[in-house]
Amino acid sequence: QSALTQPASVSGSPGQSITISCTGTSSDVGGYNYVSWYQQHPGKAPKLMIYDVSNRPSGVSNRFSGSKSVNTASLTISGLQAEDEADYYCSSYTSSNTRVFGGGTKLTVL
Amino acid sequence: QLQLQESGPGLVKPSETLSLTCTVSGGSIRSSSYYWGWIRQPPGKGLEWIGTIYYSGSTYDNPSLKSRVTISVDTSKNQFSLRLSSVTAADTAVYYCARRQGGYPAPFDPWGQGTLVTVSS
Repeated sequence: QSALTQPASVSGSPGQSITISCTGTSSDVGGYNYVSWYQQHPGKAPKLMIYDVSNRPSGVSNRFSGSKSVNTASLTISGLQAEDEADYYCSSYTSSNTRVFGGGTKLTVL
Repeated sequence: QLQLQESGPGLVKPSETLSLTCTVSGGSIRSSSYYWGWIRQPPGKGLEWIGTIYYSGSTYDNPSLKSRVTISVDTSKNQFSLRLSSVTAADTAVYYCARRQGGYPAPFDPWGQGTLVTVSS
């Protein structure tokens, strides 16, 4: 199983919006609405930010939103804040009953 | 509040077996509502799902690890474990344990803090 494809890095200024893409295939992202997004600060464990494509766990800011079109899922962060600077990973359920992650995207808040 | 804590040797020699345990507190591993998983992250790289276990012992693992993986559960100790055989330097990583809801392919949440395992002679 190949990793999902994410851009290596994205950046934005405070207050702006950014979008991180996550591209898979019809056997994972495109085949199921089971895409999740994790935020990881340096030296910390990943934190769930979005699940089932567009749902936010309790306690996650509504500045974070998710969507999907065909084989590509997206995470959008609006009103960028310094604390949003982190690595972001997407993950999907697959047709082989396994889980696959993206390679990760480093978000820099300028 | 549920907490997960990984434990085990931080250094393993090449060709030997890596063994880690995840201790669950604040909840029962025997709950029929949850599955328990292992995920790893090589230094400076992305996440890789290793496998998942149910309290009954049913397991699902990553085919790319070519049957080197054994995941087991000890309900009496509220723990589950990972064994990875024939390790090489490529298995050097931070290993995380995590919980996911059952009933459908839910995401992993929460995660343990992770433990670094280095494969070196």
